[in-house]
Amino acid sequence: GDSVTQMEGPVTLSEEAFLTINCTYTATGYPSLFWYVQYPGEGLQLLLKATKADDKGSNKGFEATYRKETTSFHLEKGSVQVSDSAVYFCALGGFYNQGGKLIFGQGTELSVKP
Amino acid sequence: NAGVTQTPKFQVLKTGQSMTLQCAQDMNHEYMSWYRQDPGMGLRLIHYSVGAGITDQGEVPNGYNVSRSTTEDFPLRLLSAAPSQTSVYFCASSYIGQRDEKLFFGSGTQLSVL
Repeated sequence: GDSVTQMEGPVTLSEEAFLTINCTYTATGYPSLFWYVQYPGEGLQLLLKATKADDKGSNKGFEATYRKETTSFHLEKGSVQVSDSAVYFCALGGFYNQGGKLIFGQGTELSVKP
Repeated sequence: NAGVTQTPKFQVLKTGQSMTLQCAQDMNHEYMSWYRQDPGMGLRLIHYSVGAGITDQGEVPNGYNVSRSTTEDFPLRLLSAAPSQTSVYFCASSYIGQRDEKLFFGSGTQLSVL
């Protein structure tokens, strides 16, 4: 079945460091791919998305490129801030006529120190 | 802008008790869903609905019931609570139609079953 695998956390970085969170997927067909972020005590919110191979999603300095050949959607940011501390979820969706139905990875906790 | 509203925010139950987690959205979304979040396991889909009168099972439906009598409401019922149902529950909704529909999440319900 469809699944998403993320790198395990927690990831601890110093402010202004480069961030990579790895995400790979298994899917039949041509899924859409997403990154959601969860700040402490809150629900998840969409960070970025891509709907087809080679698309790049970007938002708030974060980027991810849909790589069909490696079935990956790695999240990157060139210079993290303390305010980026959160849990990041990679997700797979785009199921026909099923709206926002998503399959999530296990989440990666990011902690950024000043 | 209410968005997705979940109640209660916290709940403690004894084994065998029943309860209903409430979810309401005011965005006229066709799709609604329930997820549970457990450490190291990400979010797992319990049940979902693509419109009033239509529901379907997700990855972990056992022990939970749902119904969708209106577009706005999607309650989750625990008929006989078990300690394994201790978790954080999120309701989420979206439109249906595009492959990259954004999911809107509620703020969650933290449930403890003793």
